[in-house]
Amino acid sequence: EPEVTQTPSHQVTQMGQEVILRCVPISNHLYFYWYRQILGQKVEFLVSFYNNEISEKSEIFDDQFSVERPDGSNFTLKIRSTKLEDSAMYFCASSPWDGQYFGAGTRLSVL
Amino acid sequence: AQKITQTQPGMFVQEKEAVTLDCTYDTSDQSYGLFWYKQPSSGEMIFLIYQGSYDEQNATEGRYSLNFQKARKSANLVISASQLGDSAMYFCAMRGVEIQGAQKLVFGQGTRLTINP
Repeated sequence: EPEVTQTPSHQVTQMGQEVILRCVPISNHLYFYWYRQILGQKVEFLVSFYNNEISEKSEIFDDQFSVERPDGSNFTLKIRSTKLEDSAMYFCASSPWDGQYFGAGTRLSVL
Repeated sequence: AQKITQTQPGMFVQEKEAVTLDCTYDTSDQSYGLFWYKQPSSGEMIFLIYQGSYDEQNATEGRYSLNFQKARKSANLVISASQLGDSAMYFCAMRGVEIQGAQKLVFGQGTRLTINP
């Protein structure tokens, strides 16, 4: 069964460093999303992406964040200068139209 | 704006019993969708079941069913014959307003379900 793949599963970085989280959505899906879950809290929407542009972004998704679909398969989330409070689980999701399928997540630890 | 409320932070159930996880929602949209996801301790988000606001029948998927009461704005998840492997965090979510075709999900706080042997 097709699935959303995220790499790495765990990323440890120093505060102020740039990180890129990678996702390979399900191949025939059109809509892509990033969500964040701080430990013990609910899942929060960051950004949606369609037709090579951002459809919607939350107030969390400030200038430090960017997304890109550099080729036909990858979908990346970049955090330019990480802060301690960026430590969280980051989920990528994709959907054909309705329903969203999540990857296993990348746990980002900012030290 | 959409809002999801899950009032049960934790539930403890004996194995093989049925369990109901509560979810209420608030939206001014006429058309919306409701989802349940399971998050085991390993962290991934597993899609369980979906209910569309215009679906007349309650959704069912194996041991999972969704008790959809539109007038009460509730979408409770029912797990029949619970198993030890059902122990996990469960999130109710609602599909938000469509923007350029994309529709973000709004999540509740989650309910931690523990199945006791």
